[in-house]
Amino acid sequence: EVQLVQSGAEVKKSGESLKISCQGSGYSFTSHWIAWVRQVPGKGLEWMGSIFLGDSDTTYSPSFQGQVTISADKTFNTAYLQWSSLRPSDTAIYFCARASLLPTFHDYWGQGTLVTVSS
Amino acid sequence: QSALTQPASVSGSPGQSITISCTGSITDVGGYDYVSWYQQYPGKVPKLIIWDVINRPSGVSDRFSGSKSGNTASLTISGLQTEDEADYFCASYTRSTTLVFGGGTKLTVL
Repeated sequence: EVQLVQSGAEVKKSGESLKISCQGSGYSFTSHWIAWVRQVPGKGLEWMGSIFLGDSDTTYSPSFQGQVTISADKTFNTAYLQWSSLRPSDTAIYFCARASLLPTFHDYWGQGTLVTVSS
Repeated sequence: QSALTQPASVSGSPGQSITISCTGSITDVGGYDYVSWYQQYPGKVPKLIIWDVINRPSGVSDRFSGSKSGNTASLTISGLQTEDEADYFCASYTRSTTLVFGGGTKLTVL
C-alpha cells in the first residue's frame, strides 16, 4: 500500500527556521516525483515545487522559488520542505503528494502538516 | 505563472449533471494533455479523480468525466449525488515543467 506520512504540526515564531518531512512507503521511491502543495485554511491549493527522487532534480513554482528549499534523502525515502526564515504569511497546511515519471498529476497525498507562524 | 481560472461555485440538484470549467493558456492547459482534477472535502486531503484530461483512477465513479477544448478543460459530474458536494480543483502541467492549480470550485448539491 502506497503511503506518504508527514511530520507533525509545528508552531513557530517569525524569523525561525523549519524543516518538515514526508516519508514514502509501499512503492519505488526513486521512480517518482514528490511535490509540496500549500493550502491556507479555507483557500485553494498552491503547487510549490517538486523533486525527483531518482536524481534529486528539483523544480519550483516561480511564486516559491527562493522562498523555500525542497530536498530529499533516498536512504530514508523522505522528502523535505525547508524555510530559513518563516513569516506569518507562511501559516498554512502543507501537503506532500506523489507524481510519476513526469510531475503531471498527483495520485497519493500525505495527511498534511499544519504550520503556524506567529509574529 | 497565474492560477488557472475556475468558477468560484456551481450548484445542481440530485440527478442532474454539472460541468466545472478550468481555463488557462497555451503554456499550460492548451499546450499539454496533462490536466488533472482533485476533489477535496472540508478538512480532508485532496483526492485525484481525473488525470491526463480524461482518465479516471481505479475506484473513482464513472459519473466523473473530463474533457478539454483549446485552453479550457472541463470536469463533468453526471447523476449528481449529495456526496459529491465538495471543492474541486483543476491542475495543469506547464511549459516551465511545473504544475499550476486552479482557484477551486465549491460544488453545492441542492
